[in-house]
Amino acid sequence: GAVVSQHPSWVICKSGTSVKIECRSLDFQATTMFWYRQFPKQSLMLMATSNEGSKATYEQGVEKDKFLINHASLTLSTLTVTSAHPEDSSFYICSALGGQVYGYTFGSGTRLTVV
Amino acid sequence: AQTVTQSQPEMSVQEAETVTLSCTYDTSESNYYLFWYKQPPSRQMILVIRQEAYKQQNATENRFSVNFQKAAKSFSLKISDSQLGDTAMYFCASGGSQGNLIFGKGTKLSVKP
Repeated sequence: GAVVSQHPSWVICKSGTSVKIECRSLDFQATTMFWYRQFPKQSLMLMATSNEGSKATYEQGVEKDKFLINHASLTLSTLTVTSAHPEDSSFYICSALGGQVYGYTFGSGTRLTVV
Repeated sequence: AQTVTQSQPEMSVQEAETVTLSCTYDTSESNYYLFWYKQPPSRQMILVIRQEAYKQQNATENRFSVNFQKAAKSFSLKISDSQLGDTAMYFCASGGSQGNLIFGKGTKLSVKP
């Protein structure tokens, strides 16, 4: 079945540093990927939509200069949290459109802790 | 804009019994899909069931079935013969032409032995 590999699964970083999260579709081409953020005991909030070869579309209230998204190939999308602060600590999940008939394949998520 | 509402923050059910999780949605799209996802403690999102809005027949997947009422914009999930492994957060979601999913706030389901 369709698989999206997301790395790292967890990361701890210091305030002010940058962290890169990768999502890779292993057995299908993902022309569109979605990045979500999930706070504890809350739902998934869409941050941005990325299409291969073009700039990402960010949801209202999401700082595009802070959350850099790159979708340079049909199998890889990255989210870089720049100048991370403790309030950026959260669970980040990617989802690729494709791999199933009108289906979404989710990565396993990344728990980011900024100290 | 699309919205998805889950009015039951928490529910519990005895093992082997049946439980129904509620979901209502609103969308201006004419062609859309509805989903139920399960998120266990591992936080991996697992597709439970999917319904195409243009299909009148309710989707079923083994012990899981939906009651799709298009006019009422209702999409409830019924879990039959509940098992301990069904304990998880359940999210209702709507997907339209933009491709992105809009999630409800979730229902925490506990299956008790």
